[in-house]
Amino acid sequence: DVALTQSPATLSVTPGERISLSCRASESVDTYLHWYQQKPNESPRLLIKYASQSISGIPSRFSGSGSGTDFTLSINGVELEDLSIYYCQQGNNLPLTFGSGTKLEIK
Amino acid sequence: EVQLQQSGAELVKPGASVKLSCKTSGYTFSNYYMSWLKQMPGQNIEWIGNIYGRNGGTGYNQKFKGKATLTVDKSSSTAYMDLSSLTSEDSAVYFCARSGYSWYFDFWGPGTMVTVSS
Repeated sequence: DVALTQSPATLSVTPGERISLSCRASESVDTYLHWYQQKPNESPRLLIKYASQSISGIPSRFSGSGSGTDFTLSINGVELEDLSIYYCQQGNNLPLTFGSGTKLEIK
Repeated sequence: EVQLQQSGAELVKPGASVKLSCKTSGYTFSNYYMSWLKQMPGQNIEWIGNIYGRNGGTGYNQKFKGKATLTVDKSSSTAYMDLSSLTSEDSAVYFCARSGYSWYFDFWGPGTMVTVSS
């Protein structure tokens, strides 16, 4: 199975900051890497597909980059509503797998 | 508007089985896959498997073979997941989520909490 390692596990942020979250795959997943946001007691929401493609309805402050094994989700100007857990997911190999998540909290 | 409506919370005894449902609307059911995913409290998300709406073809995560059985009812655009021989390790929230051939999940159900307890 493809293992996805997300770092950091927790990130303390100040509103307005630009931040970057990392997702590293145990083998190449090309650009079949997707990002989700999950708020407490809610289902995940798709933020970015294919590493860098935007999703309709998602604020433009969210962007993604990377290919192969190293990927980054960036938030340009964190807002309070962004406090959530962020997961990456690979769709290159079965079984589909998720990272363990990065939790955003207020500093 | 695409909607995935999941069945309500379940409290089941160890060793029992449970059948969860995911009723869809707002899109052509047969053109997409439906995946089921497991999330234990405070834990990671695990992919259980998926089923193709057109022909009921399935793919399973090896970890869940024998535990989960996926089916569909095309007439009602509903997907089902049977979980068998339940133990405390099966206590979790189970989500259904739609995908195309591209294996990302663009719409999710709200989740069904399953609690296994005597």
